[in-house]
Amino acid sequence: GESVGLHLPTLSVQEGDNSIINCAYSNSASDYFIWYKQESGKGPQFIIDIRSNMDKRQGQRVTVLLNKTVKHLSLQIAATQPGDSAVYFCAATGGGNKLTFGTGTQLKVEL
Amino acid sequence: DAGITQSPRHKVTETGTPVTLRCHQTENHRYMYWYRQDPGHGLRLIHYSYGVKDTDKGEVSDGYSVSRSKTEDFLLTLESATSSQTSVYFCAISPQEGTNGYTFGSGTRLTVV
Repeated sequence: GESVGLHLPTLSVQEGDNSIINCAYSNSASDYFIWYKQESGKGPQFIIDIRSNMDKRQGQRVTVLLNKTVKHLSLQIAATQPGDSAVYFCAATGGGNKLTFGTGTQLKVEL
Repeated sequence: DAGITQSPRHKVTETGTPVTLRCHQTENHRYMYWYRQDPGHGLRLIHYSYGVKDTDKGEVSDGYSVSRSKTEDFLLTLESATSSQTSVYFCAISPQEGTNGYTFGSGTRLTVV
């Protein structure tokens, strides 16, 4: 089945720097990918998605890059702010079009 | 979270007792899901529903059952709670699979003592 994993459990960045969170997936048939943000005590919130026919998509201060050749997904956050501190999950469609979630990277923003 | 509510938010129960968690949506979405979230495991799918009275098992369904008698409500039942079911449970909804993300509820923290 599908497995999705993030490369680092914790990432610390300085306020104002750019953050890059990485994710790898196993199923070459995955065709839809999402990044979620989860703040303490809350449910995951949708940040940005990308389909397999694209390799880059930009939102407000966030960019998702998809490299299908190596089955790698990344989330870039520009000018990281204290409010960006959270756990970030990637998810990919697997069997039956259901999303499989990675374990999450804790982003810590240092002032 | 807009359009999806979970109840209760917190619950402590004793081993061996039945427990039911409720997920209610006002979005009229077809798909509903129950996940559990544990440290080191991420979100794992317990059961899901693709319509009224249409449900199926996820990867960690043992010890859980679900029911969906109305579009807006999806119930998760632990028939006889065990300590291994201590977790945070999230409900999610989606209008369509494979092309839309899921919207998650705020979660239910369940402790089985």
